This record gives sequence, C-alpha cells and structure tokens, in this order.
Amino acid sequence: KAGVTQTPRYLIKTRGQQVTLSCSPISGHRSVSWYQQTPGQGLQFLFEYFSETQRNKGNFPGRFSGRQFSNSRSEMNVSTLELGDSALYLCASSSADSGYTFGSGTRLTVV
Amino acid sequence: QKEVEQDPGPLSVPEGAIVSLNCTYSNSAFQYFMWYRQYSRKGPELLMYTYSSGNKEDGRFTAQVDKSSKYISLFIRDSQPSDSATYLCAMSGAAGNKLTFGGGTRVLVKP
Repeated sequence: KAGVTQTPRYLIKTRGQQVTLSCSPISGHRSVSWYQQTPGQGLQFLFEYFSETQRNKGNFPGRFSGRQFSNSRSEMNVSTLELGDSALYLCASSSADSGYTFGSGTRLTVV
Repeated sequence: QKEVEQDPGPLSVPEGAIVSLNCTYSNSAFQYFMWYRQYSRKGPELLMYTYSSGNKEDGRFTAQVDKSSKYISLFIRDSQPSDSATYLCAMSGAAGNKLTFGGGTRVLVKP
C-alpha cells in the first residue's frame, strides 16, 4: 500500500514569491492535514480537509491556504513568502481508526 | 505553558536498555494519543496509536496512557542503535481533530 506522497521534496524560493505544495494521501483516506515544522516552534497545525471541505484551521495568517480535490489529493499555497516561512511542511492522511500517517515532507527554504 | 510538555533530552542509553519516554498534557479533552519516531530530514513515522486510558503493546513498544494524571509514556525494549531518533508524542480531542504535538525527545542508543 503506497504511503503519503508529497511533492516536491525540496524548494528554494525568494521572498515575496508564492509556492504550491502537493500531497497525495493513502488510498481510501479522505482526511488530509497539513503541518509546519520548525526547530523553534516544533510541529504546528495548519489546516485539515475532509471530502474537499476545510474542517479545521490553525493559527496561521491568510497567506497560507489549501484545498482538496475530489480524489482526496490536497495542495497548500503560501503567498508573499517571508523568510520565517522556511520550514518542513508535512502532510498527513488519516481514516477513522488508523491514526495519522505522515509523508516525508517538503523542505521549503525562503531566501 | 504549552498544552503538551515533553523533555527535549537528549536521552542516551546503551544498546539493549529500555528507553522510557513520557509526555504530560493539560487539556482534559484529549482522547487519542500517538507516538511518532522521526529521523533527521524525514517525516514522522507512527509507532503507536491509542484511545483513552490503558496500555498497548506492539513488538518492542509499549504505550501507556493515564488520563487521570494527564500523563502518557512510551517504552522501547531491547533498544537498538537504529532506534536513535527524535520521538514525538501527539494527541487530539477526537478522531479527525488536529494533532497537538510535544516538542520531541532526542534519543541516542549507543552500541
């Protein structure tokens, strides 16, 4: 069974640019969550989608947005990038009884 | 004060020893408890997933949850150098809710 796939694995962007990250969940999982991991703040929840609807949102500015498609694949977008957005962005998919399975993440560096 | 507290370590043990990890939390609404292992530059790997209080064993891993004390533990028996990683506890109030993570404990198993 394939795991959670995140693309790309690495990204380097310039301040002010925007970026889109992609996540393909485990087959059959309808819930996709996004987290930001930094050395200083640890893992912080961004948002969660279930059946194309945002079900939960964390305390991040509106520059961070996401969406989920009918096949459960999800994308997150960060606009007007800031240096502080440099982080490992992790996607997790889950079902009712399985817990959360994470992908390998996308490491974003903003220069 | 953080909702979930976890000693950052590092915790250094000799190969074959028992590794003992724990987290305390303040939110009594948490019902689902997870332990993850994260290697450097990788996504978190789900080790244990438990609901409410009690013990759960899976191979060399034992997870304990004491909701009355708001305290969870993970024990790793017969530790191996390959167990050297950062261990993260995570919890949520309901299936599908956002995960709240501890800061992680770095573990080093010495040959």
